[in-house]
Amino acid sequence: DIQMTQSPSSVSASIGDRVTITCRASQDISRWLVWYQQKPGKAPDLLIYRASSLQSGVPPRFSGSGSGTEFTLTISSLQPEDFAIYYCQQVNSFPRTFGQGTKVEIK
Amino acid sequence: EVQLVESGGGLVQPGGSLRLSCAASGFTFSSYGMNWVRQAPGKGLEWVSYITSTSGSVYYSDSVKGRFIVSRDNARNSLFLQMDSLRAEDTAVYYCARGDTASGVWGAGTTVTVSS
Repeated sequence: DIQMTQSPSSVSASIGDRVTITCRASQDISRWLVWYQQKPGKAPDLLIYRASSLQSGVPPRFSGSGSGTEFTLTISSLQPEDFAIYYCQQVNSFPRTFGQGTKVEIK
Repeated sequence: EVQLVESGGGLVQPGGSLRLSCAASGFTFSSYGMNWVRQAPGKGLEWVSYITSTSGSVYYSDSVKGRFIVSRDNARNSLFLQMDSLRAEDTAVYYCARGDTASGVWGAGTTVTVSS
C-alpha cells in the first residue's frame, strides 16, 4: 500500500500569510494526487485534483504542485475561511490512502 | 442539484451488522464510480471502498476486506455498504463520495457506533 505523509501536522498562521503544506508518497504516484479541505462537522471539499488542477469554484489563492513522490499545497494569502484541516489523497492505485491531515490554525 | 444522502447508520453491538445506503440525485449516477470514506471521532479520513460505475470491479481497504461488501443499484440511483462482523474500531462517520480520481461530491455522512 502507498503511504502518504503530510507535514506539518499543524500550522499557526495569520490572515494574509502564505501557507505551504507538503505531502509525500511512499512510492511514485505520478500526478495522481488530490487535496481536500475539511471544516468541523462537514464533509471534505475538493480543492485540487491531478496535483495542480484547481476545482471549479475554488479561489485561486489555492494552488498545488509536484509530481512523483513530493507535492505541495499553497495558500498564497490566508483568509478567515481557510482555517480548516487539509488532507492529501493518492488516487494512483488501490487502496486509496489519505495523509494524516494538516490543521491550519489562527495565530 | 447534485446531491448524495447517506442513511442507515446507528448503534450496533460488536459482531453485528448494518447496511448503509447512499441515495444519489441531480446527476447520471450510472456514469460514476463511487467511494465510501469514513472518519472515526477526532481522527482523519480513511478510504473504505470503491465500486466502478458498472459494478465490474470493487476494492476495499485492508481493514474492512472480508467483512464489508459494496454494491450499487443504478436503476435506483443508490449505493450500499453491507457491514458485517462490526468492531469498535469501525465506529465512524461514513461518507459516500462520487468519482474515481477526484471526489467533488460528498454526502453529509451517517454515523455508525459499534458498542455494547
